Amino acid sequence: DGGITQSPKYLFRKEGQNVTLSCEQNLNHDAMYWYRQDPGQGLRLIYYSQIVNDFQKGDIAEGYSVSREKKESFPLTVTSAQKNPTAFYLCASSIDRRSETQYFGPGTRLLVL
Amino acid sequence: KQEVTQIPAALSVPEGENLVLNCSFTDSAIYNLQWFRQDPGKGLTSLLLIQSSQREQTSGRLNASLDKSSGRSTLYIAASQPGDSATYLCAVEGAGNQFYFGTGTSLTVIP
Repeated sequence: DGGITQSPKYLFRKEGQNVTLSCEQNLNHDAMYWYRQDPGQGLRLIYYSQIVNDFQKGDIAEGYSVSREKKESFPLTVTSAQKNPTAFYLCASSIDRRSETQYFGPGTRLLVL
Repeated sequence: KQEVTQIPAALSVPEGENLVLNCSFTDSAIYNLQWFRQDPGKGLTSLLLIQSSQREQTSGRLNASLDKSSGRSTLYIAASQPGDSATYLCAVEGAGNQFYFGTGTSLTVIP
């Protein structure tokens, strides 16, 4: 079946540690996105990529990094510079043209020990 | 910067009622608006997409309208069911492929 997968479902990070969240899609979509969701707040865009080997910062990119070496994969690294990483992280993809639906993965919940 | 607001934050209705969820946005220069459903601890499911040139979209018991000039959208759910209980999010797409999400409305349908 086509879709977006994220792993792991839950992730624990120790102080000063970098962790990487996986996002894979087999929808042949060009565009991929990472969002963060905090309680009582709307989703906020961290990074997005419209094509392989290219990505752009969203509204809250500080403390995060991404790569887009393959069309299917858009991993997100939460670095030690991100001081408040506890949140629910959602990955999404869309066909890279206007007015297309975004498809979302099941999400990864990151907790700090 | 685009701001998206959803009212009410929470809504509880008895089964079978029709209901309306509201979404407002501050910048009318949007490409489209989407309504999503989120179940606890899970990712989002896209419900309806309204392009900026459209005024409404329908899917089953759901109907979404868009008034771009006034910066408002509504999601109408007919004959609500307990399985409709979830958080509903609206999102607008602006320039540069940027999506802006509202804070959501938490819906509980009581059997």
